[in-house]
Amino acid sequence: NAGVTQTPKFQVLKTGQSMTLQCAQDMNHEYMSWYRQDPGMGLRLIHYSVGAGITDQGEVPNGYNVSRSTTEDFPLRLLSAAPSQTSVYFCASSRGQGYHEQFFGPGTRLTVL
Amino acid sequence: AQSVTQLGSHVSVSEGALVLLRCNYSSSVPPYLFWYVQYPNQGLQLLLKYTTGATLVKGINGFEAEFKKSETSFHLTKPSAHMSDAAEYFCAVSHNAGNMLTFGGGTRLMVKP
Repeated sequence: NAGVTQTPKFQVLKTGQSMTLQCAQDMNHEYMSWYRQDPGMGLRLIHYSVGAGITDQGEVPNGYNVSRSTTEDFPLRLLSAAPSQTSVYFCASSRGQGYHEQFFGPGTRLTVL
Repeated sequence: AQSVTQLGSHVSVSEGALVLLRCNYSSSVPPYLFWYVQYPNQGLQLLLKYTTGATLVKGINGFEAEFKKSETSFHLTKPSAHMSDAAEYFCAVSHNAGNMLTFGGGTRLMVKP
């Protein structure tokens, strides 16, 4: 199993550009989520999904969209990139209700100029 | 709302010395607690977790943590530090909804020869 995979590993955007960060898992996990990591702030939850077709907002959802059309994939879309979105983004998955361990992808380092 | 506080953003120990990384949490319901480790330019790896049962939890690489409900703490310890332990460590508490995590700000552990 590849576990949780993310692409790209690195990305540089200009202010106002849009892009999609890809996340996939091959563990048949029901729950998936996106976090951003900023120095001194740990990881903060952006959006999450408890199953295909079901998404909800986390702590810092503004400027990001998600959808979950399949169990395996959970892309994160930046609609109009801003310098404040410069961060490292992690996707995670967990098995489902009652299984609290989350498995993390390797991250995407995004710089917005 | 849940929150996690990690005391000390940077901790430095000598090789062979005791490692103690502090974590306090607030939660309105019985918590699920986690410690994750992040090596440079990598994703997060689970060190150990507390869900229910024994309050002293053993993890990988010789780490352990004790859940103390009266002190709302979940401190991470290792009797003897190794150079390979140098990394950033995150304490996290799980939400009930979707297993999502609230993280502390992280503690960077440095190990001196």
